[in-house]
Amino acid sequence: KQEVTQIPAALSVPEGENLVLNCSFTDSAIYNLQWFRQDPGKGLTSLLLIQSSQREQTSGRLNASLDKSSGRSTLYIAASQPGDSATYLCAVRGGQNFVFGPGTRLSVLP
Amino acid sequence: DAGITQSPRYKITETGRQVTLMCHQTWSHSYMFWYRQDLGHGLRLIYYSAAADITDKGEVPDGYVVSRSKTENFPLTLESATRSQTSVYFCASTPDWAYNEQFFGPGTRLTVL
Repeated sequence: KQEVTQIPAALSVPEGENLVLNCSFTDSAIYNLQWFRQDPGKGLTSLLLIQSSQREQTSGRLNASLDKSSGRSTLYIAASQPGDSATYLCAVRGGQNFVFGPGTRLSVLP
Repeated sequence: DAGITQSPRYKITETGRQVTLMCHQTWSHSYMFWYRQDLGHGLRLIYYSAAADITDKGEVPDGYVVSRSKTENFPLTLESATRSQTSVYFCASTPDWAYNEQFFGPGTRLTVL
């Protein structure tokens, strides 16, 4: 059974810092991995999708990497801003299921 | 409205009542999903559908029923609501299983008294 973990559970940084969020999964037989952000009381917004054959994807200040063999993905956020404050979730898509991690709650302090 | 919508956004019901949560998407995506989100458990897949009239169980299907007579709609029914089904329910869709992003609706907050 696929299990997804995210470290750290919560993170607080001053504005302008670069930061890394981690996602680990136990079964490397995945199609892809998707990163989302969720604002309090809201739905999930897709940030980046990495296919299993890819090593990384970039969108603006966000860069996501994938090392399928080691079961790890990282989300790098450059020059963090208060508007980046949210919960960040990763989700892996396997043969018969989508499995989400518990999320990392990020606070960027002005 | 384009995208994926859910109704109602908030619902309070009583134990034993039947409740139906609606999900509608305008993209003609083949796959649709229902998740529940709970503190301590994160997001868990309840049911999904690959196309009209094709549905399959996810991780936590007990107590729920789904149908999909039209591609754009995927209602979720709690036939006899229980307090343990108090949760936030999210609907999602994607064009295919393996290659495209999954897009989420705004969620329905359900409280079962």
